[in-house]
Amino acid sequence: RKEVEQDPGPFNVPEGATVAFNCTYSNSASQSFFWYRQDCRKEPKLLMSVYSSGNEDGRFTAQLNRASQYISLLIRDSKLSDSATYLCVLGRGQGNLIFGKGTKLSVKP
Amino acid sequence: EPEVTQTPSHQVTQMGQEVILRCVPISNHLYFYWYRQILGQKVEFLVSFYNNEISEKSEIFDDQFSVERPDGSNFTLKIRSTKLEDSAMYFCASSGDSHNEQFFGPGTRLTVL
Repeated sequence: RKEVEQDPGPFNVPEGATVAFNCTYSNSASQSFFWYRQDCRKEPKLLMSVYSSGNEDGRFTAQLNRASQYISLLIRDSKLSDSATYLCVLGRGQGNLIFGKGTKLSVKP
Repeated sequence: EPEVTQTPSHQVTQMGQEVILRCVPISNHLYFYWYRQILGQKVEFLVSFYNNEISEKSEIFDDQFSVERPDGSNFTLKIRSTKLEDSAMYFCASSGDSHNEQFFGPGTRLTVL
């Protein structure tokens, strides 16, 4: 089983739609969790950290379920500029980040 | 806003040649990393560096690879004898106190011919 699994997409949605990404992980020792976004041929950029209590940043909401080893990201009122690949990322104690392959989102006008 | 910088943006080299990829991490950060991303694949961890020594390295980071912090600002990745399969985007990252929130540089695209 892969350490981090994500639906590769692509998700094609109209502007204003709500879209949800899911991620499952296999290593229960993972200590921290993140969503990064990556534009084509660019570096990964930190979108948000993910906490067990759930956290929200504007239109973005992230949830973590440690028991199910499941992470989610919800984007509300999607914008054209949200088009990117969304990477589910796990952190280990030494700082080693484990990346998923990402889910591609395309927001259309 | 402070950012990680990397040079060069693109490096083309012949198989068997040595390359040095350079990074300037965010100035008050203490933890430094190299990752690579082969075209179409996921980002993969290579090595982490703290307090002037390697903290952790992956299986990819074999004897052909080395890292150095030659002065107070630069952080370099050296590949001694490049192979075709080393062609990838190499990202440097750094983090401060919370060493899992990492900030990435724009990357160096390495092409080995």
